[in-house]
Amino acid sequence: GAVVSQHPSRVICKSGTSVKIECRSLDFQATTMFWYRQFPKQSLMLMATSNEGSKATYEQGVEKDKFLINHASLTLSTLTVTSAHPEDSSFYICSARVGTVYTEAFFGQGTRLTVV
Amino acid sequence: KNQVEQSPQSLIILEGKNCTLQCNYTVSPFSNLRWYKQDTGRGPVSLTIMTFSENTKSNGRYTATLDADTKQSSLHITASQLSDSASYICVVSAVSGGSYIPTFGRGTSLIVHP
Repeated sequence: GAVVSQHPSRVICKSGTSVKIECRSLDFQATTMFWYRQFPKQSLMLMATSNEGSKATYEQGVEKDKFLINHASLTLSTLTVTSAHPEDSSFYICSARVGTVYTEAFFGQGTRLTVV
Repeated sequence: KNQVEQSPQSLIILEGKNCTLQCNYTVSPFSNLRWYKQDTGRGPVSLTIMTFSENTKSNGRYTATLDADTKQSSLHITASQLSDSASYICVVSAVSGGSYIPTFGRGTSLIVHP
């Protein structure tokens, strides 16, 4: 299957700072990328959907000013957590899809964010 | 409201044994159902994908079934191995207005003991 790479895999940051997570599709051009958040022993929760060159669509309850998503190219999307708080500590996962809604989305390996 | 319910929540089996995980859903309009394996601290990896017309799909020791009438799916793991220890997630997708809408189950945590 196609490869989606996330970086970094783990990050620790101080409260009040911002942290950027990158999601890259390595061997295909992703027309759509998804960002998820997962708490321990919980399901993945969709945060936002981004299409290349356009603004991301955020799910209800997700603050767009706090979780900035940039999908500047067909192979790269970034999630920036601004003014991080300890409650933002979580596992963040991206997935990328090429083509129509019927094609499979491939997941990155995830990023463990810890805010201290 | 679209929902995906998985059972059991957790399962412990001995190496070499078989097991079956369940997924019930109320997702409409149905597009496809996927089973993923998620190792701890890793992203999900696809095991199988089934559309409305498919009722069985195999991938090695993993066999998924789908009953679109009763809106149930199962994932059967044969001759379990220690490396099968992971969370197994059922994801049911709907397509509405040209948008792709996946609904995730909470997953079944499987532990395989030697």
